[in-house]
Amino acid sequence: DTEVTQTPKHLVMGMTNKKSLKCEQHMGHRAMYWYKQKAKKPPELMFVYSYEKLSINESVPSRFSPECPNSSLLNLHLHALQPEDSALYLCASSQGSRTSGGNTGELFFGEGSRLTVL
Amino acid sequence: GQSLEQPSEVTAVEGAIVQINCTYQTSGFYGLSWYQQHDGGAPTFLSYNALDGLEETGRFSSFLSRSDSYGYLLLQELQMKDSASYFCAVSTDSWGKLQFGAGTQVVVTP
Repeated sequence: DTEVTQTPKHLVMGMTNKKSLKCEQHMGHRAMYWYKQKAKKPPELMFVYSYEKLSINESVPSRFSPECPNSSLLNLHLHALQPEDSALYLCASSQGSRTSGGNTGELFFGEGSRLTVL
Repeated sequence: GQSLEQPSEVTAVEGAIVQINCTYQTSGFYGLSWYQQHDGGAPTFLSYNALDGLEETGRFSSFLSRSDSYGYLLLQELQMKDSASYFCAVSTDSWGKLQFGAGTQVVVTP
């Protein structure tokens, strides 16, 4: 199984709602990522989890809250979002390693959750 | 600061060869990756260069020169399905954290 599965595929929420995006992989990857992508732009890194610990937060506003319940699952909790947060949210995983030998440069991306904030 | 530069758009006819250049300036360099993304789809991995030289994978080849902070993706025998955005991306740590370029839109015409 070389898939990263994201749910939901589409989400519409109001600015006062609380919702969550979910991501799952069963490749035994030890690094998982959340990226945000606006139309016609590259993916922008939000968070990195390595061995289930948050290792990188790219100065993301606190209305986005990541969670890694176990090595296969990654969640992104959303609260009090703004219309400018509307975007495609991509989850990815990589084999990862504490040494450079484990880095193959390959991230496996899910199909994304397309979020619209009204 | 960190930056990756690649052309914004390239147009070519079916069967042609296209080269997409990427120059980078980053703090930390483990390798250069290339990703393809069709409209509405997810980025998919094409190739990775950690060392200088050419890597060939079917119709696609990728090159890296670490001393020049430069790489390219070569697309041969272009097909209509190759119309997509192509991103170069630098790995900046051993885990595979990627810094993406702005992307090159490749348009293949009949």
